[in-house]
Amino acid sequence: DSGVTQTPKHLITATGQRVTLRCSPRSGDLSVYWYQQSLDQGLQFLIQYYNGEERAKGNILERFSAQQFPDLHSELNLSSLELGDSALYFCASSVGILNEQFFGPGTRLTVL
Amino acid sequence: DAKTTQPNSMESNEEEPVHLPCNHSTISGTDYIHWYRQLPSQGPEYVIHGLTSNVNNRMASLAIAEDRKSSTLILHRATLRDAAVYYCILRVGSSNTGKLIFGQGTTLQVKP
Repeated sequence: DSGVTQTPKHLITATGQRVTLRCSPRSGDLSVYWYQQSLDQGLQFLIQYYNGEERAKGNILERFSAQQFPDLHSELNLSSLELGDSALYFCASSVGILNEQFFGPGTRLTVL
Repeated sequence: DAKTTQPNSMESNEEEPVHLPCNHSTISGTDYIHWYRQLPSQGPEYVIHGLTSNVNNRMASLAIAEDRKSSTLILHRATLRDAAVYYCILRVGSSNTGKLIFGQGTTLQVKP
């Protein structure tokens, strides 16, 4: 158990819908990262927050957005969902910017 | 971001040492070498990292070539639980973002 929790574990929805994935970092960790893992693209970095502020953006689509709240939990919002958005979404947290990252168990999103 | 090259797959026998190679010929002086692994149906987990000197921890050892253009992750006695995808990642030491750029990794099979 990494100490990072993600909800829900599984999500099945339809194209065009909007979903919210939630992540609670380890106690004391200020940095939260979101990654997407699909069969064809592998593990890809989406976005990073540090103490409530966006720190880095990767290959994140404009239909996706995220935020980190004052209690340091984070949400990833995916809208206008397409079949290709089906993937595992991982959240990770770390104490600082360059410390080891602890990954959650992931949310498996299926878009039908 | 500097690139790493790893073999797609490797096999090992249980209780034997495993040497997982990684080439990073374009590494710069401030790049740290990190290793993560992903067990089946789990999120990635941190294994070890180093800059110039060899490193040991409870999970593994990291041997870094003198010119730093390659490194080897060493599992001293492979167990069935070590079957996973192993990722070698370079992280810029002076970066203000901790994002991890994952390649394809090496899929390690451990035979009983």
